Amino acid sequence: DVKVTQSSRYLVKRTGEKVFLECVQDMDHENMFWYRQDPGLGLRLIYFSYDVKMKEKGDIPEGYSVSREKKERFSLILESASTNQTSMYLCASRASGGAKDTQYFGPGTRLTVL
Amino acid sequence: GENVEQHPSTLSVQEGDSAVIKCTYSDSASNYFPWYKQELGKRPQLIIDIRSNVGEKKDQRIAVTLNKTAKHFSLHITETQPEDSAVYFCAARGTGGFKTIFGAGTRLFVKA
Repeated sequence: DVKVTQSSRYLVKRTGEKVFLECVQDMDHENMFWYRQDPGLGLRLIYFSYDVKMKEKGDIPEGYSVSREKKERFSLILESASTNQTSMYLCASRASGGAKDTQYFGPGTRLTVL
Repeated sequence: GENVEQHPSTLSVQEGDSAVIKCTYSDSASNYFPWYKQELGKRPQLIIDIRSNVGEKKDQRIAVTLNKTAKHFSLHITETQPEDSAVYFCAARGTGGFKTIFGAGTRLFVKA
């Protein structure tokens, strides 16, 4: 059974702080993703990675960066948190190729920036 | 750019009735269409998916239909139960694509 975990369920930070959100998957998946979820906007892709040290911008990368030093771990970084980054952040992973299309989500981190 | 539109945003049905959620996609290269269910406070989970080489797929009370010509796909839930209450997301992805494009979600309420 695939397991995707995120470092925190709830996080409260102050404007201007640097924030790290960690995601770990245990199924040796090549692809990992960071989304933010806001009411009425669905799931919007921030960044994704298809291999170690590889990263690609999603639809809303501004204000975020990512790091993938190990295959199982994908980190989302808010360099200087702002109030408009208050949101639910979901990590996901997926294997590459063929019928292995299912994307597995982590439990989410609800981030509040004051 | 690629886009997936989902309707309605909210749907309320009586227990036992059917529920239908509709999505349209813009990228004609899309060939994989998953549906996710997210219960309150939980992570989204895949409930059913369909590939472009089939027009319909069923799994017990859930079915998905795909019209490639019109670029429409729909989720049908029959004999709804209160535990079907959740937010449902449709999505689309193309061959070899990394990005899955999600719809905005439909909040389904099933009234007992």
